[in-house]
Amino acid sequence: DADVTQTPRNRITKTGKRIMLECSQTKGHDRMYWYRQDPGLGLRLIYYSFDVKDINKGEISDGYSVSRQAQAKFSLSLESAIPNQTALYFCATSALGAGTPETQYFGPGTRLLVL
Amino acid sequence: EDQVTQSPEALRLQEGESSSLNCSYTVSGLRGLFWYRQDPGKGPEFLFTLYSAGEEKEKERLKATLTKKESFLHITAPKPEDSATYLCAVDDKIIFGKGTRLHILP
Repeated sequence: DADVTQTPRNRITKTGKRIMLECSQTKGHDRMYWYRQDPGLGLRLIYYSFDVKDINKGEISDGYSVSRQAQAKFSLSLESAIPNQTALYFCATSALGAGTPETQYFGPGTRLLVL
Repeated sequence: EDQVTQSPEALRLQEGESSSLNCSYTVSGLRGLFWYRQDPGKGPEFLFTLYSAGEEKEKERLKATLTKKESFLHITAPKPEDSATYLCAVDDKIIFGKGTRLHILP
């Protein structure tokens, strides 16, 4: 079984709809991240969480919100989807580092199309 | 502002033709540099972490090196299965470069 899972894997929605993307992990990691990937722009950090009570904005958090329901679960919400949020979304996890950055482990991605 | 730049954007090689991918960075105090491989439609997969200038790491046909300003991913005698996008990232909040799309022709 995959260590980091994302649901749904594909989603088509309409402008103005609220949607939630979910991420679960069985790696026992404290840190979780949400990225979006666009052609030509690479991976950009949306939000990250270093533990259940810690939520931080990334480079491009506007229009998004997150919820860390448990150590293993981190959800990304689009309150009112717009077409330029069409992208490939990745969840990632890493262990709590002891002074050095830790390797990230990525989920398989969610392909989102906003019409 | 922290920045990561990868070059070239795309690279086509014949099978067996060795080459190098570049990742140049400007960060205030590098804590670590990561290389990932990404296949189409999949999440990035970890390859290497480098922590200090002069460090080198190898895995099969890949070798990553690090200086104070850049990192290289050397690919020796590549095979078609090495075709992928290679991503470089720095620091623990992870700033990614845009990647190099590598295509190895049989």
